[in-house]
Amino acid sequence: EAGVTQSPTHLIKTRGQQVTLRCSPISGHTSVYWYQQALGLGLQFLLWYDEGEERNRGNFPPRFSGRQFPNYSSELNVNALELEDSALYLCASSWVGEQYFGPGTRLTVT
Amino acid sequence: GEDVEQSLFLSVREGDSSVINCTYTDSSSTYLYWYKQEPGAGLQLLTYIFSNMDMKQDQRLTVLLNKKDKHLSLRIADTQTGDSAIYFCAESYGGSQGNLIFGKGTKLSVKP
Repeated sequence: EAGVTQSPTHLIKTRGQQVTLRCSPISGHTSVYWYQQALGLGLQFLLWYDEGEERNRGNFPPRFSGRQFPNYSSELNVNALELEDSALYLCASSWVGEQYFGPGTRLTVT
Repeated sequence: GEDVEQSLFLSVREGDSSVINCTYTDSSSTYLYWYKQEPGAGLQLLTYIFSNMDMKQDQRLTVLLNKKDKHLSLRIADTQTGDSAIYFCAESYGGSQGNLIFGKGTKLSVKP
C-alpha cells in the first residue's frame, strides 16, 4: 500500500513569492493535516482538512491557506513568502486515529 | 494552552535500554503517539497508546502511560545504533481525529 506522498521534495523561492505544496493521502484516509517543522521551533500544526472542509487551523497568519479536493488530496498555499517560512512542511493523513506522515517538502526562502 | 514536554537529549550504549520520557497537558487526549525522525526524513509512526490503557508492548518497544501524572514513556530494549534518531511524543488535541501537539523531540544517540 502506498504511503503519503508529497511534492515537490525541495524548492527554493524568493521572499515575496507564492508557493503551492501538494499532498496525496493514503488510500481510504479522509483527513489530511499539514505541519511546519522549522529549525528551533519544532513541529507546529498548520491546517487540518477532513471531507473537503477545514476542521482546524493552527496559529499561523492567513497567508497560509489550503484546500482538500474530492479525491482527498490537498494543497498548501503560502503567499508573500518570508525568510522565516523556510522549513520542512509535513503532510499527514488519517482515517480514524493514528496519523501517517509523508517525507515532507523542504522549502527554502532566500 | 496544550503543551508537550520532553528532554532534549539521551545517550546510551548499544545493547542497553533507552527510556524517553514525556509529559502532556491535555487530559482529553484520546491517543498518545511516539514518532521517530531520522536525519533528513519525515516522521515514522513507531507506536501509539489509547488513553484508557496503561501499557502497550510492541517487540522492543514498551509504552507506559500514567494518566494521573500525564506522563508517557517509551522504552526501547536492546538499543541498536540504528535507533539513533529524534523521537517525538505527541498528543491528539480534541479527540481521536484532532491535530497533534508535538514535543520538541528527544535526540537519542547510541554509542557502540
